[in-house]
Amino acid sequence: QKEVEQDPGPLSVPEGAIVSLNCTYSNSAFQYFMWYRQYSRKGPELLMYTYSSGNKEDGRFTAQVDKSSKYISLFIRDSQPSDSATYLCAMSVRMVGNTPLVFGKGTRLSVIA
Amino acid sequence: EAQVTQNPRYLITVTGKKLTVTCSQNMNHEYMSWYRQDPGLGLRQIYYSMNVEVTDKGDVPEGYKVSRKEKRNFPLILESPSPNQTSLYFCASSLSPSDVFYEQYFGPGTRLTVT
Repeated sequence: QKEVEQDPGPLSVPEGAIVSLNCTYSNSAFQYFMWYRQYSRKGPELLMYTYSSGNKEDGRFTAQVDKSSKYISLFIRDSQPSDSATYLCAMSVRMVGNTPLVFGKGTRLSVIA
Repeated sequence: EAQVTQNPRYLITVTGKKLTVTCSQNMNHEYMSWYRQDPGLGLRQIYYSMNVEVTDKGDVPEGYKVSRKEKRNFPLILESPSPNQTSLYFCASSLSPSDVFYEQYFGPGTRLTVT
């Protein structure tokens, strides 16, 4: 079993839809959870991070962590064509730079106008 | 503008011909790292540097070298490239090595093809 599993998609939704992106993981020691957005031909950019379990909201984006189920989610409300990108989950045991940051393979999202 | 730059952006080379991919950041960041991104495998860390003159191996360091002689630059060296190093490479930087992933900036990527 891979350490972090993420459905690669592609996921295609109409503009205005609520999008749910998910990752599962096997290492119960992970405490820091991140979501990156990667546009085509660009580097990843950090969208949100959360520590341990719970929810975090930033505008149209909500990150959710359920450590008991080893499951994290990113919700996008009122999705826009500009949200079309690949979304990568990432997680780590610590935030120190000598600790591995483990990425999911990414989910490609298309929001159709 | 605060940014991480990489050069070249695209490179096609032949097996065994040494090459260097440069990475530079203008944010005075202490921490820098290199990743490769492959279809079906995601992003994997090659090397990282906690500060000047301090480098260490990531998950997939075989076939690569790095150096960190100055704070702003972190070149990736392939002494004898092989086709399995064909990949998309990203350089990244963070202000502090103790809070690396809170705000990690990635460069635009270098697409390398080794024939």
